[in-house]
Amino acid sequence: GAVVSQHPSWVICKSGTSVKIECRSLDFQATTMFWYRQFPKQSLMLMATSNEGSKATYEQGVEKDKFLINHASLTLSTLTVTSAHPEDSSFYICSASHGTGAGYTFGSGTRLTVV
Amino acid sequence: GDSVTQMEGPVTLSEEAFLTINCTYTATGYPSLFWYVQYPGEGLQLLLKATKADDKGSNKGFEATYRKETTSFHLEKGSVQVSDSAVYFCALTVNQAGTALIFGKGTTLSVSS
Repeated sequence: GAVVSQHPSWVICKSGTSVKIECRSLDFQATTMFWYRQFPKQSLMLMATSNEGSKATYEQGVEKDKFLINHASLTLSTLTVTSAHPEDSSFYICSASHGTGAGYTFGSGTRLTVV
Repeated sequence: GDSVTQMEGPVTLSEEAFLTINCTYTATGYPSLFWYVQYPGEGLQLLLKATKADDKGSNKGFEATYRKETTSFHLEKGSVQVSDSAVYFCALTVNQAGTALIFGKGTTLSVSS
C-alpha cells in the first residue's frame, strides 16, 4: 500500500535555529501534501496544503515565513520551521493525497522540542 | 463550513466491552467519511472509511455506517481489547481533488484488562 516516510521522527533544537522535516511518498506520486500540527491531547490542525511545483496555501493564522513549505517533486515535500521558539514545540504530521476523496496516507509524525 | 463533531473522551472500558464512539458531521454535498486511529507517539492510521450513504466501513472488528439521514458515522466494536487503547479521530473530506481531511477533536479510548 501507499507509504509516506517522514523524518526525523523526533528532534530537539535550540531556540533560534531552524529545523527541516521531510516527507517522502515511497510508492506513489503525491500531487498534494498536507501539513498538520497537533498539540498534546488535541486534534490535528491543518497548517498548509502544498501542490507539486507551486506555492503552498496556508491556513489562516499560520505564518508562511515561519513555516516554509517546499514541494519540489511529486515524491518529496518539506516543512522548515525557521527561527524556532519553544512555542513551536509540537507534533507535526504530513499527509499525502492519492486520489480524489479516496486516499490519504499519513507520515509517522515528527516530535519537535525547542529548548 | 464543513465540520466533524465527536464525543468527548476519555472513554474507559473493560476488555470485551462494547464500544461506541459517536461522530456527526456537517458538510455541503456528499462527503467521504473516515475513522483514523492514533497510537501514542505515532502518526495516524486509517481504520475504515465509507464514501457514500449507507456504506459500511469495517476493519479489525470495528464498524461504522454512513447515515445520511442523521449525518452520522458512529464507530462500534463488539468486544474491545487492551490493544485497542488509542485516540480515534472521525474525519471527512468533500471529495474534491486537493482537499484536506477535516478532523474531529479525537476520542481517547482506554481499555483495561
